[in-house]
Amino acid sequence: AAGVIQSPRHLIKEKRETATLKCYPIPRHDTVYWYQQGPGQDPQFLISFYEKMQSDKGSIPDRFSAQQFSDYHSELNMSSLELGDSALYFCASSRRASGRLVTDTQYFGPGTRLTVL
Amino acid sequence: QKEVEQDPGPLSVPEGAIVSLNCTYSNSAFQYFMWYRQYSRKGPELLMYTYSSGNKEDGRFTAQVDKSSKYISLFIRDSQPSDSATYLCAMSGTSYGKLTFGQGTILTVHP
Repeated sequence: AAGVIQSPRHLIKEKRETATLKCYPIPRHDTVYWYQQGPGQDPQFLISFYEKMQSDKGSIPDRFSAQQFSDYHSELNMSSLELGDSALYFCASSRRASGRLVTDTQYFGPGTRLTVL
Repeated sequence: QKEVEQDPGPLSVPEGAIVSLNCTYSNSAFQYFMWYRQYSRKGPELLMYTYSSGNKEDGRFTAQVDKSSKYISLFIRDSQPSDSATYLCAMSGTSYGKLTFGQGTILTVHP
Protein backbone atom coordinates (compact mmCIF):
# COMPACT_ATOMS: atom_id res chain seq x y z
CA ALA A 1 0.00 0.00 0.00
CA ALA A 2 1.16 3.52 -0.75
CA GLY A 3 2.53 5.46 2.20
CA VAL A 4 3.29 9.07 3.01
CA ILE A 5 6.34 10.31 1.15
CA GLN A 6 8.64 12.95 2.54
CA SER A 7 11.58 14.63 0.88
CA PRO A 8 14.36 15.11 1.43
CA ARG A 9 15.06 12.44 4.02
CA HIS A 10 18.09 14.26 5.36
CA LEU A 11 18.96 17.94 5.19
CA ILE A 12 21.94 19.84 6.55
CA LYS A 13 21.80 23.62 6.73
CA GLU A 14 23.76 26.45 8.27
CA LYS A 15 22.31 28.88 10.79
CA ARG A 16 20.18 31.62 9.24
CA GLU A 17 19.64 29.60 6.05
CA THR A 18 16.24 28.49 4.75
CA ALA A 19 14.87 24.99 4.23
CA THR A 20 11.86 23.55 2.44
CA LEU A 21 10.43 20.19 3.42
CA LYS A 22 7.95 18.39 1.19
CA CYS A 23 5.20 15.92 1.98
CA TYR A 24 3.13 13.79 -0.39
CA PRO A 25 0.11 12.27 1.38
CA ILE A 26 -1.39 8.86 0.80
CA PRO A 27 -3.63 8.94 -2.31
CA ARG A 28 -7.16 10.22 -1.55
CA HIS A 29 -6.07 11.63 1.79
CA ASP A 30 -7.16 15.26 2.09
CA THR A 31 -5.59 16.29 5.41
CA VAL A 32 -1.92 16.84 6.16
CA TYR A 33 -0.29 17.37 9.54
CA TRP A 34 3.25 18.46 10.41
CA TYR A 35 5.01 17.41 13.61
CA GLN A 36 8.45 18.19 15.02
CA GLN A 37 10.30 15.63 17.12
CA GLY A 38 13.41 16.76 18.97
CA PRO A 39 16.01 14.24 20.18
CA GLY A 40 14.49 11.96 22.80
CA GLN A 41 11.20 13.85 22.73
CA ASP A 42 7.66 13.09 21.63
CA PRO A 43 6.34 14.59 18.39
CA GLN A 44 4.94 18.10 18.78
CA PHE A 45 2.17 19.31 16.49
CA LEU A 46 3.06 22.25 14.26
CA ILE A 47 0.26 22.83 11.76
CA SER A 48 -2.39 21.04 9.69
CA PHE A 49 -4.29 21.57 6.45
CA TYR A 50 -7.62 20.25 5.19
CA GLU A 51 -8.59 20.72 1.56
CA LYS A 52 -5.76 23.23 1.09
CA MET A 53 -6.88 25.43 3.99
CA GLN A 54 -5.10 25.70 7.31
CA SER A 55 -7.22 23.80 9.83
CA ASP A 56 -5.19 24.02 13.05
CA LYS A 57 -2.01 25.59 14.31
CA GLY A 58 0.23 24.48 17.13
CA SER A 59 3.59 25.63 18.42
CA ILE A 60 4.95 26.67 15.05
CA PRO A 61 7.48 29.53 15.07
CA ASP A 62 6.69 32.63 13.03
CA ARG A 63 9.82 31.83 10.98
CA PHE A 64 8.03 28.76 9.64
CA SER A 65 5.22 28.73 7.10
CA ALA A 66 3.42 25.96 5.32
CA GLN A 67 0.82 25.37 2.67
CA GLN A 68 -1.08 22.60 0.95
CA PHE A 69 -1.29 22.60 -2.82
CA SER A 70 -4.03 21.61 -5.27
CA ASP A 71 -2.59 18.09 -5.57
CA TYR A 72 -2.74 17.85 -1.73
CA HIS A 73 1.00 17.77 -1.24
CA SER A 74 2.31 20.12 1.42
CA GLU A 75 5.49 22.10 1.97
CA LEU A 76 6.96 23.39 5.21
CA ASN A 77 9.17 26.42 4.72
CA MET A 78 11.64 27.28 7.43
CA SER A 79 13.62 30.51 7.41
CA SER A 80 16.38 32.00 9.61
CA LEU A 81 17.21 28.53 10.84
CA GLU A 82 18.46 28.17 14.39
CA LEU A 83 20.42 25.38 16.05
CA GLY A 84 17.30 24.45 18.02
CA ASP A 85 15.43 23.68 14.80
CA SER A 86 17.50 20.51 14.42
CA ALA A 87 14.94 17.71 14.69
CA LEU A 88 12.96 15.08 12.86
CA TYR A 89 10.05 16.58 10.97
CA PHE A 90 7.17 14.24 10.32
CA CYS A 91 4.29 14.65 7.98
CA ALA A 92 1.12 12.64 8.53
CA SER A 93 -1.97 12.35 6.37
CA SER A 94 -5.54 11.26 6.89
CA ARG A 95 -8.90 11.27 5.16
CA ARG A 96 -11.90 12.83 6.82
CA ALA A 97 -14.86 10.51 6.95
CA SER A 98 -18.10 11.89 5.55
CA GLY A 99 -20.05 10.51 8.47
CA ARG A 100 -18.54 8.30 11.11
CA LEU A 101 -15.06 7.95 12.47
CA VAL A 102 -12.25 5.41 12.10
CA THR A 103 -10.95 6.41 8.70
CA ASP A 104 -9.38 9.60 10.02
CA THR A 105 -6.38 7.85 11.51
CA GLN A 106 -3.16 9.68 10.88
CA TYR A 107 -0.49 7.81 8.97
CA PHE A 108 3.04 9.09 9.35
CA GLY A 109 5.79 9.42 6.81
CA PRO A 110 9.41 8.40 7.44
CA GLY A 111 10.41 11.93 8.42
CA THR A 112 13.00 14.48 7.33
CA ARG A 113 16.01 14.78 9.59
CA LEU A 114 17.09 18.43 9.65
CA THR A 115 20.47 19.30 11.06
CA VAL A 116 21.36 22.95 11.55
CA LEU A 117 25.06 23.67 11.98
CA GLN B 1 2.44 19.68 33.39
CA LYS B 2 1.99 17.79 30.15
CA GLU B 3 -1.51 16.90 29.00
CA VAL B 4 -0.44 13.29 28.44
CA GLU B 5 1.89 11.47 30.80
CA GLN B 6 3.58 8.21 29.88
CA ASP B 7 6.11 6.23 31.87
CA PRO B 8 9.28 6.58 29.76
CA GLY B 9 10.78 3.33 31.02
CA PRO B 10 12.96 1.89 29.70
CA LEU B 11 11.25 -1.47 29.97
CA SER B 12 13.19 -4.70 29.46
CA VAL B 13 11.37 -8.05 29.35
CA PRO B 14 12.17 -11.61 28.28
CA GLU B 15 10.69 -13.02 25.10
CA GLY B 16 7.18 -14.37 25.66
CA ALA B 17 6.36 -11.96 28.50
CA ILE B 18 3.19 -9.91 28.72
CA VAL B 19 3.95 -6.21 28.44
CA SER B 20 1.77 -3.46 29.88
CA LEU B 21 2.18 0.13 28.72
CA ASN B 22 0.16 2.97 30.21
CA CYS B 23 -0.72 6.62 29.77
CA THR B 24 -2.71 9.06 31.83
CA TYR B 25 -4.15 12.31 30.56
CA SER B 26 -5.75 15.42 31.96
CA ASN B 27 -7.81 16.79 29.06
CA SER B 28 -11.34 15.38 29.31
CA ALA B 29 -12.00 16.49 25.72
CA PHE B 30 -9.88 13.64 24.36
CA GLN B 31 -12.13 11.10 22.65
CA TYR B 32 -9.80 9.25 20.28
CA PHE B 33 -6.90 7.20 21.53
CA MET B 34 -4.05 5.64 19.63
CA TRP B 35 -0.90 3.66 20.17
CA TYR B 36 2.01 4.09 17.80
CA ARG B 37 5.22 2.09 17.55
CA GLN B 38 8.37 3.89 16.50
CA TYR B 39 11.62 2.24 15.55
CA SER B 40 14.80 4.26 15.83
CA ARG B 41 14.94 7.10 13.29
CA LYS B 42 11.66 5.98 11.67
CA GLY B 43 8.19 7.44 11.54
CA PRO B 44 5.53 6.37 14.07
CA GLU B 45 3.53 3.36 12.90
CA LEU B 46 -0.09 3.04 13.99
CA LEU B 47 -0.80 -0.04 16.11
CA MET B 48 -4.19 0.53 17.69
CA TYR B 49 -6.98 3.07 17.34
CA THR B 50 -9.82 3.32 19.85
CA TYR B 51 -12.76 5.64 20.20
CA SER B 52 -14.01 6.46 23.71
CA SER B 53 -13.93 3.86 26.50
CA GLY B 54 -13.61 0.14 26.02
CA ASN B 55 -11.29 -2.60 24.85
CA LYS B 56 -10.00 -3.46 21.42
CA GLU B 57 -7.99 -6.52 20.48
CA ASP B 58 -5.83 -7.10 17.40
CA GLY B 59 -3.71 -10.22 17.42
CA ARG B 60 -1.24 -10.01 20.28
CA PHE B 61 -2.20 -6.42 21.07
CA THR B 62 -5.04 -5.22 23.33
CA ALA B 63 -5.85 -1.57 23.91
CA GLN B 64 -7.96 -0.44 26.87
CA VAL B 65 -9.43 3.00 27.49
CA ASP B 66 -10.96 4.08 30.80
CA LYS B 67 -12.21 7.62 30.31
CA SER B 68 -13.56 7.87 33.86
CA SER B 69 -10.01 7.43 35.15
CA LYS B 70 -8.37 9.17 32.18
CA TYR B 71 -6.17 6.14 31.73
CA ILE B 72 -5.27 4.08 28.68
CA SER B 73 -3.26 0.88 28.36
CA LEU B 74 -1.67 -1.28 25.71
CA PHE B 75 -1.01 -4.94 26.42
CA ILE B 76 1.33 -7.02 24.29
CA ARG B 77 1.04 -10.78 24.70
CA ASP B 78 3.80 -13.25 23.83
CA SER B 79 6.25 -10.42 23.27
CA GLN B 80 8.89 -10.89 20.58
CA PRO B 81 12.33 -9.34 20.06
CA SER B 82 10.86 -7.61 17.00
CA ASP B 83 8.53 -5.72 19.37
CA SER B 84 11.55 -3.82 20.68
CA ALA B 85 10.81 -0.18 19.91
CA THR B 86 9.48 3.02 21.43
CA TYR B 87 5.74 2.96 22.06
CA LEU B 88 3.88 6.26 21.97
CA CYS B 89 0.36 6.85 23.16
CA ALA B 90 -1.48 9.62 21.35
CA MET B 91 -4.91 11.17 21.66
CA SER B 92 -7.16 13.73 20.07
CA GLY B 93 -10.37 15.55 20.76
CA THR B 94 -11.77 14.98 17.30
CA SER B 95 -11.35 12.25 14.74
CA TYR B 96 -9.36 14.59 12.49
CA GLY B 97 -7.63 16.76 15.08
CA LYS B 98 -4.02 17.16 16.04
CA LEU B 99 -2.47 14.40 18.10
CA THR B 100 -1.05 14.98 21.56
CA PHE B 101 1.59 12.40 22.36
CA GLY B 102 2.98 10.89 25.51
CA GLN B 103 6.73 10.88 26.02
CA GLY B 104 7.07 7.31 24.73
CA THR B 105 8.15 4.10 26.47
CA ILE B 106 11.29 2.36 25.26
CA LEU B 107 10.69 -1.40 25.21
CA THR B 108 13.37 -4.05 24.79
CA VAL B 109 12.39 -7.72 24.44
CA HIS B 110 15.42 -9.94 24.85
CA PRO B 111 15.59 -13.53 23.57
